[in-house]
Amino acid sequence: AQKITQTQPGMFVQEKEAVTLDCTYDTSDPSYGLFWYKQPSSGEMIFLIYQGSYDQQNATEGRYSLNFQKARKSANLVISASQLGDSAMYFCAMREGGLPHAGNMLTFGGGTRLMVKP
Amino acid sequence: KAGVTQTPRYLIKTRGQQVTLSCSPISGHRSVSWYQQTPGQGLQFLFEYFSETQRNKGNFPGRFSGRQFSNSRSEMNVSTLELGDSALYLCASRGPVNTEAFFGQGTRLTVV
Repeated sequence: AQKITQTQPGMFVQEKEAVTLDCTYDTSDPSYGLFWYKQPSSGEMIFLIYQGSYDQQNATEGRYSLNFQKARKSANLVISASQLGDSAMYFCAMREGGLPHAGNMLTFGGGTRLMVKP
Repeated sequence: KAGVTQTPRYLIKTRGQQVTLSCSPISGHRSVSWYQQTPGQGLQFLFEYFSETQRNKGNFPGRFSGRQFSNSRSEMNVSTLELGDSALYLCASRGPVNTEAFFGQGTRLTVV
């Protein structure tokens, strides 16, 4: 079974509007972390936001927020006020196991290509 | 502070050859992981090294191997290259106080 599922292969959003990228996950480990990364055409993965399984509040980082619904096993990324530079691939990823002993093994979803229209 | 550095950025090899890719992590980071990214299979975990020891390994054949040196720099080797090994190979490092992994720009390997 897929551990990380991103059901939107591609999405368009109008500049300055908000957009939600979906991510569902599957794990039996009670301790895990969820990440979102952005990959522009240059190839480098850029960290955006992190949510720990025991975090009580949804994570926010500037224009990025994570809508964490633990019972539904979903961790959707919300980008507010989209900018042209937001056009890229977005990956949801999970690391199982608790910090600080968890390794650095990430399981990635298939990604969503976001295209921002001027 | 310098980021994760991967060399070379681009590489073209012939089937049957071997290749070595290099990754220099962020200073102070002892954990280095490698990932393969292809259009068909997406991003897949290869292996992770921590303090010169392999800590985790993905589901790849034995042709894929790696090592880590005492300065935390890591190398990945692929022997007997196949066309299907053509991919973007990404390296990531993580420090003791970080939750997130920091990625390099990758090495794009083309096997012809």
